[in-house]
Amino acid sequence: QSVLTQPPSVSAAPGQKVTISCSGSSSNIGNNYVSWYQQLPGTAPKLLIYDNNKRPSGIPDRFSGSKSGTSATLGITGLQTGDEADYYCGTWDSSLSVLFGGGTKLTVL
Amino acid sequence: QLQLQESGPGLVKPSETLSLTCTVSGGSISSSSYYWGWIRQPPGKGLEWIGSIYYSGSTYYNPSLKSRVTISVDTSKNQFSLKLSSVTAADTAVYYCARKGGGVINRNWFDPWGQGTLVTVSS
Repeated sequence: QSVLTQPPSVSAAPGQKVTISCSGSSSNIGNNYVSWYQQLPGTAPKLLIYDNNKRPSGIPDRFSGSKSGTSATLGITGLQTGDEADYYCGTWDSSLSVLFGGGTKLTVL
Repeated sequence: QLQLQESGPGLVKPSETLSLTCTVSGGSISSSSYYWGWIRQPPGKGLEWIGSIYYSGSTYYNPSLKSRVTISVDTSKNQFSLKLSSVTAADTAVYYCARKGGGVINRNWFDPWGQGTLVTVSS
């Protein structure tokens, strides 16, 4: 059971928009930066969002991040079949540890 | 561009020590802007941060693994290494190395990642 709570799965049709939530507390998300990762099947995770809402070079603007209080959200617009993957949030916790959420499996119907 | 590659035994016996090395290419491990980290993923499960190291040798570890983990750096070889002692079947996982951005200890993002290496703990 992860300290950061993500929905196990989300789904949407191609071209649609989906959001993935990451819920924490004041010990982690509430006072620290959040990052998001995409893990395509059989591959290593890839950074999508850092510092709550910044995109690394090469990440399309279809991907966006936001944070409010003790929760963070990853948004993906214009869904493509190639977006089917597991998505993880990450942040620092006052227990002196980097935490990751349990992951959310995105299905593009 | 920066690339990381994990190497080490794919099979470790219970109670022994798991040892992995991450070789960094396309950039210097001695960059003052970054730490370097290890993350693992048990089969079919989520990500777990193990620990991170600065090129100076400064480290910080996951409290749940701290008693068994040692991360070290060899700047002359552009490598950093992981040792996890007294392993059990619960330590079976894909082990990834990655560059940690963000500078300060409480600002963490990992990019890029190595391809990962599966380590199985079994007799």
